[in-house]
Amino acid sequence: EVELLEAGGALAQPGGSLRLSCAASGFIFNDYAMSWVRQAPGKGLEWVSVISGSGGGSTSYTDSVKGRFTISRDSSNNTLYLQMNTLRAEDTAVYYCAKSWRGSSIYYNTFDSWGRGTPVTVSS
Amino acid sequence: DIQMTQSPSSVSASVGDRVTITCRASQSVSSLLAWYQHKPGKAPKILIHSASSLQSGVPSRFSGSGYGTDFTLTISSLQPEDFATYYCQQASSFPYTFGQGTKLEIK
Repeated sequence: EVELLEAGGALAQPGGSLRLSCAASGFIFNDYAMSWVRQAPGKGLEWVSVISGSGGGSTSYTDSVKGRFTISRDSSNNTLYLQMNTLRAEDTAVYYCAKSWRGSSIYYNTFDSWGRGTPVTVSS
Repeated sequence: DIQMTQSPSSVSASVGDRVTITCRASQSVSSLLAWYQHKPGKAPKILIHSASSLQSGVPSRFSGSGYGTDFTLTISSLQPEDFATYYCQQASSFPYTFGQGTKLEIK
């Protein structure tokens, strides 16, 4: 059974940094692209970033986080990461990691497994 | 960016009712569309991929249809566990975008 377990969410100050992690199990981690999706309080789902499988050589980001967030993965411990720098109040959200249904490519991704999320609050 | 617009934003229905949710894309996404169910505090769950393909393990009362810009999710006979928020998502181009959600409430 696929399991995704996010961690690292916390209260951070504007301009600060956090690193989220997502421990994956139950599938061949290297074979699938992985994404981060967030949900701000009272809002809908917003896709944040994706990284390819097979070493993670391809990535994409939504415009609002480009240059501030970095997605990465470590196949040695089946973990996905999101390094979040220069945090803003509007980054406050629950952050979910999600597994691509399609395979290792970052393109045409829908998400067949999700974690339960980790909350990030950006406030002074 | 491709805008995804769902309607209605909320709907009240009873157990056993048939419910249809629509999702319209601002430009064609071909069949690159998924539907998700989300309950508070839980992981979102995929119901439909590729616009009309039922995800393995999802009850057959859920169905999806459409192509291009207009899509529907239908629940043929509501069960108590179906009360949740539903989202469509396009996978045609970056950034991947979701509809604003449809909250399905008990009447």
